[in-house]
Amino acid sequence: GAVVSQHPSRVICKSGTSVKIECRSLDFQATTMFWYRQFPKKSLMLMATSNEGSKATYEQGVEKDKFLINHASLTLSTLTVTSAHPEDSSFYICSARTDTYGYTFGSGTRLTVV
Amino acid sequence: RKEVEQDPGPFNVPEGATVAFNCTYSNSASQSFFWYRQDCRKEPKLLMSVYSSGNEDGRFTAQLNRASQYISQLIRDSKLSDSATYLCVVNPGGGGNKLVFGAGTILRVKS
Repeated sequence: GAVVSQHPSRVICKSGTSVKIECRSLDFQATTMFWYRQFPKKSLMLMATSNEGSKATYEQGVEKDKFLINHASLTLSTLTVTSAHPEDSSFYICSARTDTYGYTFGSGTRLTVV
Repeated sequence: RKEVEQDPGPFNVPEGATVAFNCTYSNSASQSFFWYRQDCRKEPKLLMSVYSSGNEDGRFTAQLNRASQYISQLIRDSKLSDSATYLCVVNPGGGGNKLVFGAGTILRVKS
């Protein structure tokens, strides 16, 4: 089946620094990647949809300058949390969709900003 | 009103019990429906898609009522390993293949 590899699984960073999260589709081409954020005991909230070779589409209320998304190839999408603050601490998950396998999720990145 | 609403639980049940939980969605144009399972600090994993005619996969049965905008999940003969958070997930349509997640229902199966 389709596999999405997400790295890192956990990261702790200092306030004000930037963190990059990568999602790679290992055995298929992901023209679209969805990025979600999940706070404790809350639902996954869609942050943005990235499309290979074009600008990402951000959901209402998500700052595009703070959460930079790059989808430069059919197998790699990245999310960079810029100038991270403690309130950005969350679980970030990517997901790709294929006609054959439906939605496939990365294993998630737990970000802690101290 | 939230797009997808679920009873957060927790549902505490003994092994072998039958447990049911429900979900409602607000967008009548929603096109597809799923139940996902999420274990603590892990990614969601697809449990089953939900079809209008209802569908069953082993001990798990899902029902969809489009008129009432209501989805249900029934688990028979609960196992300890069924303990997890169950997410009701809806594709609201309108293009883009987005998914909208409920906040989840916590199930705890105890021996």
